[in-house]
Amino acid sequence: DVKVTQSSRYLVKRTGEKVFLECVQDMDHENMFWYRQDPGLGLRLIYFSYDVKMKEKGDIPEGYSVSREKKERFSLILESASTNQTSMYLCASRVGLGVGVAKNIQYFGAGTRLSVL
Amino acid sequence: AQTVTQSQPEMSVQEAETVTLSCTYDTSESDYYLFWYKQPPSRQMILVIRQEAYKQQNATENRFSVNFQKAAKSFSLKISDSQLGDAAMYFCAYRITRRGGTSYGKLTFGQGTILTVHP
Repeated sequence: DVKVTQSSRYLVKRTGEKVFLECVQDMDHENMFWYRQDPGLGLRLIYFSYDVKMKEKGDIPEGYSVSREKKERFSLILESASTNQTSMYLCASRVGLGVGVAKNIQYFGAGTRLSVL
Repeated sequence: AQTVTQSQPEMSVQEAETVTLSCTYDTSESDYYLFWYKQPPSRQMILVIRQEAYKQQNATENRFSVNFQKAAKSFSLKISDSQLGDAAMYFCAYRITRRGGTSYGKLTFGQGTILTVHP
């Protein structure tokens, strides 16, 4: 079974702190994603990565950055956390596009609920 | 830009009954994929069912089936013989298949529908 692991289920931070959310997948997937989930808004894509050291902005990248130094790990960074970044953050991974039917399936982590006070 | 709309924030169903969750989308693309994902309370989101737009036949996975109406841009999920374990947030999602452009490879999600199953 594919496993996508997010390092924390719950996190409480102060305004202005630098926050790291970590995500690790064990299936050698090329593509990895960070979403935030808010009530009434569904999931919105923050950043994604097609491969190591590659990153692309999603729909709401402002206030976030990412790092992908190793294939299995994709980190989301909040340089200076703000209260409007209080949310549920979901990481996902997928095989590279063009690899058969499996390319259609994104596997998700359990999520990190971040509160910024 | 593609958009996905789930107009039912909440739905409920009695155990063993059938329920249908609605999803509409807006796109100018002719070829794409559609998905339903399930997010149980405090658990990981998992894929329930997927549909390729070029296929006319509706996808089916055990008790889950879809009603795909391409011209109407509608993609509803039917859950038959509902079980307590079906209680979750359900998300409809869309992805284009055409290479190039800023949307390639990205999933666009709807707002979600919370499904409650009553015993």
